[in-house]
Amino acid sequence: GQQLNQSPQSMFIQEGEDVSMNCTSSSIFNTWLWYKQEPGEGPVLLIALYKAGELTSNGRLTAQFGITRKDSFLNISASIPSDVGIYFCAGPDNNNDMRFGAGTRLTVKP
Amino acid sequence: DAGVIQSPRHEVTEMGQEVTLRCKPISGHDYLFWYRQTMMRGLELLIYFNNNVPIDDSGMPEDRFSAKMPNASFSTLKIQPSEPRDSAVYFCASSDPGTSAEAYNEQFFGPGTRLTVL
Repeated sequence: GQQLNQSPQSMFIQEGEDVSMNCTSSSIFNTWLWYKQEPGEGPVLLIALYKAGELTSNGRLTAQFGITRKDSFLNISASIPSDVGIYFCAGPDNNNDMRFGAGTRLTVKP
Repeated sequence: DAGVIQSPRHEVTEMGQEVTLRCKPISGHDYLFWYRQTMMRGLELLIYFNNNVPIDDSGMPEDRFSAKMPNASFSTLKIQPSEPRDSAVYFCASSDPGTSAEAYNEQFFGPGTRLTVL
Protein backbone atom coordinates (compact mmCIF):
# COMPACT_ATOMS: atom_id res chain seq x y z
CA GLY A 1 0.00 0.00 0.00
CA GLN A 2 0.98 3.64 -0.20
CA GLN A 3 3.19 4.50 2.74
CA LEU A 4 3.89 7.91 4.26
CA ASN A 5 7.34 8.42 5.75
CA GLN A 6 7.64 11.18 8.31
CA SER A 7 10.79 12.75 9.64
CA PRO A 8 12.14 13.42 12.09
CA GLN A 9 10.58 10.96 14.52
CA SER A 10 11.05 13.39 17.38
CA MET A 11 12.29 16.91 18.01
CA PHE A 12 13.42 18.66 21.18
CA ILE A 13 13.56 22.41 20.74
CA GLN A 14 13.73 25.59 22.77
CA GLU A 15 10.75 27.90 22.99
CA GLY A 16 10.96 30.52 20.27
CA GLU A 17 12.73 28.31 17.75
CA ASP A 18 11.30 27.45 14.37
CA VAL A 19 10.40 23.85 13.53
CA SER A 20 10.34 21.99 10.25
CA MET A 21 9.09 18.47 9.60
CA ASN A 22 8.30 16.63 6.43
CA CYS A 23 6.49 13.72 4.91
CA THR A 24 7.40 11.74 1.80
CA SER A 25 5.85 8.96 -0.21
CA SER A 26 7.03 6.70 -3.00
CA SER A 27 3.73 7.26 -4.78
CA ILE A 28 1.62 10.27 -5.61
CA PHE A 29 -0.91 11.72 -3.20
CA ASN A 30 -3.51 14.18 -4.45
CA THR A 31 -4.23 15.55 -0.98
CA TRP A 32 -1.98 16.19 1.98
CA LEU A 33 -3.26 16.82 5.48
CA TRP A 34 -1.47 17.75 8.67
CA TYR A 35 -2.90 16.82 12.07
CA LYS A 36 -1.78 17.44 15.65
CA GLN A 37 -2.50 15.05 18.49
CA GLU A 38 -2.16 15.94 22.16
CA PRO A 39 -2.03 13.34 24.95
CA GLY A 40 -5.37 11.68 25.59
CA GLU A 41 -7.05 13.36 22.64
CA GLY A 42 -7.84 12.60 19.03
CA PRO A 43 -5.96 14.19 16.12
CA VAL A 44 -7.00 17.70 15.17
CA LEU A 45 -6.76 18.90 11.59
CA LEU A 46 -4.32 21.80 11.17
CA ILE A 47 -3.98 22.30 7.43
CA ALA A 48 -5.34 20.65 4.27
CA LEU A 49 -3.53 20.93 0.93
CA TYR A 50 -5.17 20.08 -2.37
CA LYS A 51 -2.95 21.47 -5.15
CA ALA A 52 0.63 20.67 -6.05
CA GLY A 53 2.85 23.58 -5.06
CA GLU A 54 0.20 25.01 -2.75
CA LEU A 55 1.54 26.89 0.28
CA THR A 56 -0.97 27.42 3.09
CA SER A 57 -0.65 29.12 6.45
CA ASN A 58 -2.65 28.79 9.64
CA GLY A 59 -1.29 31.26 12.18
CA ARG A 60 2.30 30.28 12.95
CA LEU A 61 1.94 27.11 10.89
CA THR A 62 2.82 26.87 7.22
CA ALA A 63 2.52 23.78 5.06
CA GLN A 64 3.39 23.09 1.44
CA PHE A 65 2.23 20.49 -1.04
CA GLY A 66 5.31 19.34 -2.98
CA ILE A 67 5.35 19.85 -6.72
CA THR A 68 6.06 16.16 -7.33
CA ARG A 69 2.97 15.29 -5.23
CA LYS A 70 5.18 12.91 -3.26
CA ASP A 71 6.05 15.15 -0.34
CA SER A 72 4.85 17.85 2.00
CA PHE A 73 6.38 19.85 4.82
CA LEU A 74 5.05 21.61 7.89
CA ASN A 75 6.80 24.56 9.50
CA ILE A 76 6.03 26.06 12.89
CA SER A 77 7.50 29.47 13.57
CA ALA A 78 8.38 30.87 16.99
CA SER A 79 7.38 27.73 18.87
CA ILE A 80 5.58 27.96 22.20
CA PRO A 81 5.07 25.32 24.91
CA SER A 82 1.52 24.54 23.75
CA ASP A 83 2.91 23.36 20.40
CA VAL A 84 3.91 20.15 22.17
CA GLY A 85 2.30 17.08 20.67
CA ILE A 86 2.56 14.58 17.85
CA TYR A 87 2.21 15.89 14.32
CA PHE A 88 0.91 13.55 11.65
CA CYS A 89 0.81 13.88 7.91
CA ALA A 90 -2.01 12.06 6.14
CA GLY A 91 -3.52 11.57 2.74
CA PRO A 92 -6.08 9.42 0.94
CA ASP A 93 -4.55 6.54 -1.00
CA ASN A 94 -5.68 5.22 -4.37
CA ASN A 95 -8.65 3.52 -2.71
CA ASN A 96 -9.58 6.76 -0.95
CA ASP A 97 -8.58 5.25 2.38
CA MET A 98 -6.82 7.73 4.67
CA ARG A 99 -3.18 6.88 5.38
CA PHE A 100 -1.25 8.40 8.27
CA GLY A 101 2.46 8.84 8.78
CA ALA A 102 4.08 7.56 11.98
CA GLY A 103 4.19 11.06 13.42
CA THR A 104 6.76 13.58 14.64
CA ARG A 105 6.80 14.03 18.41
CA LEU A 106 7.57 17.63 19.30
CA THR A 107 8.84 18.73 22.70
CA VAL A 108 9.28 22.43 23.45
CA LYS A 109 11.39 23.50 26.39
CA PRO A 110 10.31 26.76 28.04
CA ASP B 1 -21.19 21.82 18.41
CA ALA B 2 -20.21 19.02 20.77
CA GLY B 3 -17.88 17.40 18.28
CA VAL B 4 -17.57 13.65 17.80
CA ILE B 5 -18.58 11.82 20.97
CA GLN B 6 -17.17 8.43 21.91
CA SER B 7 -17.95 6.14 24.80
CA PRO B 8 -16.61 4.74 26.92
CA ARG B 9 -13.35 6.70 27.19
CA HIS B 10 -11.65 3.75 28.84
CA GLU B 11 -12.50 0.06 28.78
CA VAL B 12 -10.72 -2.74 30.57
CA THR B 13 -11.92 -6.24 29.88
CA GLU B 14 -10.76 -9.80 30.01
CA MET B 15 -9.79 -11.89 27.05
CA GLY B 16 -12.79 -13.56 25.46
CA GLN B 17 -15.28 -10.90 26.49
CA GLU B 18 -17.36 -8.91 24.03
CA VAL B 19 -16.49 -5.23 23.72
CA THR B 20 -18.72 -2.56 22.20
CA LEU B 21 -17.41 0.91 21.40
CA ARG B 22 -19.83 3.70 20.59
CA CYS B 23 -19.67 6.82 18.48
CA LYS B 24 -21.90 9.79 17.79
CA PRO B 25 -20.67 11.76 14.77
CA ILE B 26 -21.05 15.49 14.30
CA SER B 27 -24.61 16.25 13.28
CA GLY B 28 -24.95 16.53 9.52
CA HIS B 29 -21.74 14.69 8.70
CA ASP B 30 -22.28 12.04 6.04
CA TYR B 31 -19.07 10.09 6.57
CA LEU B 32 -18.05 8.14 9.65
CA PHE B 33 -14.68 6.45 10.13
CA TRP B 34 -13.28 4.01 12.69
CA TYR B 35 -9.53 3.98 13.34
CA ARG B 36 -7.22 2.05 15.62
CA GLN B 37 -4.01 3.53 17.03
CA THR B 38 -1.14 1.48 18.46
CA MET B 39 2.51 2.22 19.08
CA MET B 40 3.58 -0.45 16.63
CA ARG B 41 1.25 0.29 13.73
CA GLY B 42 0.25 3.91 14.25
CA LEU B 43 -3.17 5.07 13.04
CA GLU B 44 -4.98 2.56 10.86
CA LEU B 45 -8.32 2.94 9.15
CA LEU B 46 -10.61 0.04 10.01
CA ILE B 47 -13.86 0.87 8.22
CA TYR B 48 -15.86 3.82 7.02
CA PHE B 49 -19.50 4.56 6.29
CA ASN B 50 -21.23 6.96 3.94
CA ASN B 51 -24.85 7.76 4.73
CA ASN B 52 -24.92 4.83 7.16
CA VAL B 53 -23.72 2.34 4.54
CA PRO B 54 -20.35 0.59 4.99
CA ILE B 55 -18.13 1.57 2.06
CA ASP B 56 -14.78 -0.04 2.79
CA ASP B 57 -14.11 -2.53 5.57
CA SER B 58 -10.82 -3.82 4.19
CA GLY B 59 -9.01 -2.52 7.26
CA MET B 60 -11.02 -4.62 9.70
CA PRO B 61 -8.43 -7.04 11.05
CA GLU B 62 -10.53 -10.16 11.55
CA ASP B 63 -14.03 -11.51 11.66
CA ARG B 64 -14.00 -10.83 15.37
CA PHE B 65 -14.45 -7.17 14.48
CA SER B 66 -17.75 -5.80 13.26
CA ALA B 67 -19.18 -2.30 12.84
CA LYS B 68 -22.68 -1.01 12.38
CA MET B 69 -24.32 2.32 11.77
CA PRO B 70 -28.06 1.92 12.36
CA ASN B 71 -28.74 5.63 11.89
CA ALA B 72 -27.00 8.89 11.05
CA SER B 73 -26.20 9.71 14.65
CA PHE B 74 -24.84 6.44 16.01
CA SER B 75 -22.27 3.80 15.20
CA THR B 76 -20.78 0.85 17.07
CA LEU B 77 -17.59 -1.12 16.75
CA LYS B 78 -17.79 -4.55 18.32
CA ILE B 79 -15.05 -7.02 19.12
CA GLN B 80 -16.16 -10.54 19.96
CA PRO B 81 -14.28 -12.30 21.40
CA SER B 82 -11.63 -9.80 22.47
CA GLU B 83 -7.93 -10.68 22.64
CA PRO B 84 -4.98 -8.94 24.35
CA ARG B 85 -3.60 -7.87 20.96
CA ASP B 86 -6.76 -5.80 20.44
CA SER B 87 -5.54 -3.41 23.13
CA ALA B 88 -5.29 0.01 21.49
CA VAL B 89 -6.95 3.40 21.28
CA TYR B 90 -9.94 3.35 18.94
CA PHE B 91 -10.99 6.58 17.30
CA CYS B 92 -14.14 7.54 15.53
CA ALA B 93 -14.08 10.43 13.06
CA SER B 94 -16.63 12.11 10.84
CA SER B 95 -16.60 14.44 7.86
CA ASP B 96 -18.97 16.37 5.66
CA PRO B 97 -18.19 16.75 1.96
CA GLY B 98 -20.77 19.50 1.71
CA THR B 99 -20.44 21.08 -1.71
CA SER B 100 -16.82 20.00 -2.10
CA ALA B 101 -15.77 16.37 -2.51
CA GLU B 102 -12.37 17.36 -1.12
CA ALA B 103 -13.90 18.21 2.24
CA TYR B 104 -14.54 14.49 2.71
CA ASN B 105 -10.87 14.32 3.68
CA GLU B 106 -11.16 16.87 6.48
CA GLN B 107 -12.02 14.50 9.26
CA PHE B 108 -12.96 15.47 12.79
CA PHE B 109 -11.82 12.97 15.40
CA GLY B 110 -13.39 12.01 18.68
CA PRO B 111 -11.36 11.72 21.91
CA GLY B 112 -10.95 7.96 21.49
CA THR B 113 -11.62 4.88 23.58
CA ARG B 114 -8.60 3.32 25.24
CA LEU B 115 -9.19 -0.44 25.27
CA THR B 116 -7.17 -2.78 27.43
CA VAL B 117 -7.76 -6.51 27.09
CA LEU B 118 -6.19 -8.54 29.87
